[in-house]
Amino acid sequence: EAGVTQSPTHLIKTRGQQATLRCSPISGHTSVYWYQQALGLGLQFLLWYDEGEERNRGNFPPRFSGRQFPNYSSELNVNALELEDSALYLCASSWRQGARTGELFFGEGSRLTVL
Amino acid sequence: AQTVTQSQPEMSVQEAETVTLSCTYDTSESDYYLFWYKQPPSRQMILVIRQEAYKQQNATENRFSVNFQKAAKSFSLKISDSQLGDAAMYFCAYNQGATNKLIFGTGTLLAVQP
Repeated sequence: EAGVTQSPTHLIKTRGQQATLRCSPISGHTSVYWYQQALGLGLQFLLWYDEGEERNRGNFPPRFSGRQFPNYSSELNVNALELEDSALYLCASSWRQGARTGELFFGEGSRLTVL
Repeated sequence: AQTVTQSQPEMSVQEAETVTLSCTYDTSESDYYLFWYKQPPSRQMILVIRQEAYKQQNATENRFSVNFQKAAKSFSLKISDSQLGDAAMYFCAYNQGATNKLIFGTGTLLAVQP
């Protein structure tokens, strides 16, 4: 069974540009979560999508946005990139209440570097 | 606000020895879950162990066990008989109830010395 897949693995952008990251969840999972892992800051919750709707959002500016498609895959968009957006972006999937019991399945992440 | 604190940025243990990773959290809720996740180098993060707050008995998964002190809001992870494959970043996490959101600590990087 395929796990959570993320693309691209690495992405290099310059300040002011836009970045798009993609995530395909495990088959059968309806929820997708996005986390930012910046050096020394642990994982910061970005967004939770379930059944195509945004269910919760972390403390990030509006230039971080995303969506979930009918096949439950998701993309994260970061507009007007800033240097501090450089981080590993992790996607996880679960069934709807999976986060409550910690049963999130993570991808390997997309490393975004902003120059 | 709910927070999770891991005060040990790095730890080291000799192979076959025991190591304990510390975690404290802050919450006003009475029903919640706590977790330890493992993130090996360049590999996916996986769930190691979880504890339900209403259960007094400490969770155990093979060589991994927790010491859950609810009143003190402490949740430490003990790894017994450490193996080279245990080397990883370990994150403590707390579930924020109905928001279905996991709050993570900043992680502890564990090195295992042969």
